[in-house]
Amino acid sequence: DAKTTQPNSMESNEEEPVHLPCNHSTISGTDYIHWYRQLPSQGPEYVIHGLTSNVNNRMASLAIAEDRKSSTLILHRATLRDAAVYYCILTPPPTGANNLFFGTGTRLTVIP
Amino acid sequence: DTAVSQTPKYLVTQMGNDKSIKCEQNLGHDTMYWYKQDSKKFLKIMFSYNNKELIINETVPNRFSPKSPDKAHLNLHINSLELGDSAVYFCASSFLAGGPRNTQYFGPGTRLTVL
Repeated sequence: DAKTTQPNSMESNEEEPVHLPCNHSTISGTDYIHWYRQLPSQGPEYVIHGLTSNVNNRMASLAIAEDRKSSTLILHRATLRDAAVYYCILTPPPTGANNLFFGTGTRLTVIP
Repeated sequence: DTAVSQTPKYLVTQMGNDKSIKCEQNLGHDTMYWYKQDSKKFLKIMFSYNNKELIINETVPNRFSPKSPDKAHLNLHINSLELGDSAVYFCASSFLAGGPRNTQYFGPGTRLTVL
């Protein structure tokens, strides 16, 4: 399974944008890029996913490099509620087995 | 309405006991999972079921036995509990394995403490 690399921790000031990087240099052509986050004492929650093109939803934006070897999760205005561990995960194509392998993620601290 | 629910939220028990954790989802998904998050916060998949059939068993000891009476429920039964089983167990569900429909929805977790 393709692996991802993320910084262990990042800090952001409240109401400022946050760019969370993820490297996945061994990604296959059909792997999807998923982002999940885990708020304190809660289960993980889905944030966003993409394949090749940049994606936007109400929670965040996902910028995918042209060679797909890296991606960046963008929170446009960090709030205190965004303090969580963010996981970048590669998932197989529709016919593959369904494994979500969580790495160590990036712990985001939001400073008031 | 709760999408994925688990009971109990906390479970404290003695070594050697047998216990069960229940999970239910009302999202109409056909695939359900159990994950274990240990004290170091590593989150690891244990099992997944699709339409009541096991599709993943990630080298989990035989003491752990998932049971799926229908596609909305996936219970986890643990025999002869050991200290190392202490962890937070998360249930999740999704549509069929793989690809963009693989977005998983997680329950709130069950914190198991084995004394």
